[in-house]
Amino acid sequence: GAVVSQHPSWVICKSGTSVKIECRSLDFQATTMFWYRQFPKQSLMLMATSNEGSKATYEQGVEKDKFLINHASLTLSTLTVTSAHPEDSSFYICSARNYGGRAGNEQFFGPGTRLTVL
Amino acid sequence: TQLLEQSPQFLSIQEGENLTVYCNSSSVFSSLQWYRQEPGEGPVLLVTVVTGGEVKKLKRLTFQFGDARKDSSLHITAAQPGDTGLYLCAGARGGSQGNLIFGKGTKLSVKP
Repeated sequence: GAVVSQHPSWVICKSGTSVKIECRSLDFQATTMFWYRQFPKQSLMLMATSNEGSKATYEQGVEKDKFLINHASLTLSTLTVTSAHPEDSSFYICSARNYGGRAGNEQFFGPGTRLTVL
Repeated sequence: TQLLEQSPQFLSIQEGENLTVYCNSSSVFSSLQWYRQEPGEGPVLLVTVVTGGEVKKLKRLTFQFGDARKDSSLHITAAQPGDTGLYLCAGARGGSQGNLIFGKGTKLSVKP
């Protein structure tokens, strides 16, 4: 299957600082990438859809100025959590859409980034 | 709003037992995907079903897509402790965005 990497795998930061998370598709090009947030023992919550070369589409209730998304190339999308606060602590997961898949819209997920804001 | 109801939410069984997880919706999906997630890791794609009535098998796992493409099931035969994890179903919207609608997940625990 298609491989998606995320970096860093975990990060601890002080309140008020900004954190950047990278998502890379390693063996395929991804016009569209997705960013999810997952709280303990819960399912994934879609935050935004990242489109290469255009602005991201944010889900209702997600602050675009707080969660900055950049999709500068077909293999890289970044999520920057600006002025992070303890309530932003969560497991952030990205996925990349592989148009080569049978369904045409299969998503392959990265391993996730555990963010802890002190 | 498309919703995907997944049940049961929790399931604890003994090794060797069979189980079925269900995903139901009132909406039609262009495809449906099943994922398995271990703690602290991202979801891993198990299977994608596309055609109504489709049945796919992956070793002891059997996946079925409803005829109307509104529901799906995952059946595990003779569960093993290694099957323990969070199972997620996700329905794909049609169109260029291809967003996935996730069920709430089924936390499966298989005890030896």
